[in-house]
Amino acid sequence: DVKVTQSSRYLVKRTGEKVFLECVQDMDHENMFWYRQDPGLGLRLIYFSYDVKMKEKGDIPEGYSVSREKKERFSLILESASTNQTSMYLCASRPRTSGQETQYFGPGTRLLVL
Amino acid sequence: AQTVTQSQPEMSVQEAETVTLSCTYDTSENNYYLFWYKQPPSRQMILVIRQEAYKQQNATENRFSVNFQKAAKSFSLKISDSQLGDTAMYFCAFMGHTGNQFYFGTGTSLTVIP
Repeated sequence: DVKVTQSSRYLVKRTGEKVFLECVQDMDHENMFWYRQDPGLGLRLIYFSYDVKMKEKGDIPEGYSVSREKKERFSLILESASTNQTSMYLCASRPRTSGQETQYFGPGTRLLVL
Repeated sequence: AQTVTQSQPEMSVQEAETVTLSCTYDTSENNYYLFWYKQPPSRQMILVIRQEAYKQQNATENRFSVNFQKAAKSFSLKISDSQLGDTAMYFCAFMGHTGNQFYFGTGTSLTVIP
């Protein structure tokens, strides 16, 4: 089974702090994604990566950056956390191989910014 | 950008009954993939069912089936013999044939009543 893990289930940070959210997948997937999930808005893509050191902006990249130094790990960085970044953050991965179009999700990190 | 619309924020169904969740989408692409994901309370998001647009036959997975109407750009999920474990948030999602990005609807919260 594919396993996608996220470093924290719950996180509380203060405004202005730098926040790191880590995601690790164990199935050698090329593609990795970061979403935020908010009630009534569904999942919105922040960034994705299709290879090591490669990244592409999603629909809401402002206030976020990402890092992918190793294939299995994709980090989301909030350079200076703000209260409007309080949300659930979901990581996902997917192989590049055709026929494996589904994404596999991590358990999510619920971030509260005070 | 593609859009995915789920017009039912909340639904409920009696145990053992059948329920249908609606999803419509907008795209100019001819080949694409559609998905239904399930997110149980405080648990990981998992794939329920997947449909490839070039396949006319509706996908089925045990008690879950879809009604895919390509011309109408409609992709509804039918859950038969509803069980308590079906209580979850359900998300409809779209992915273009050549793209990496998934587009999600805003979700439908389904409650199965004993």
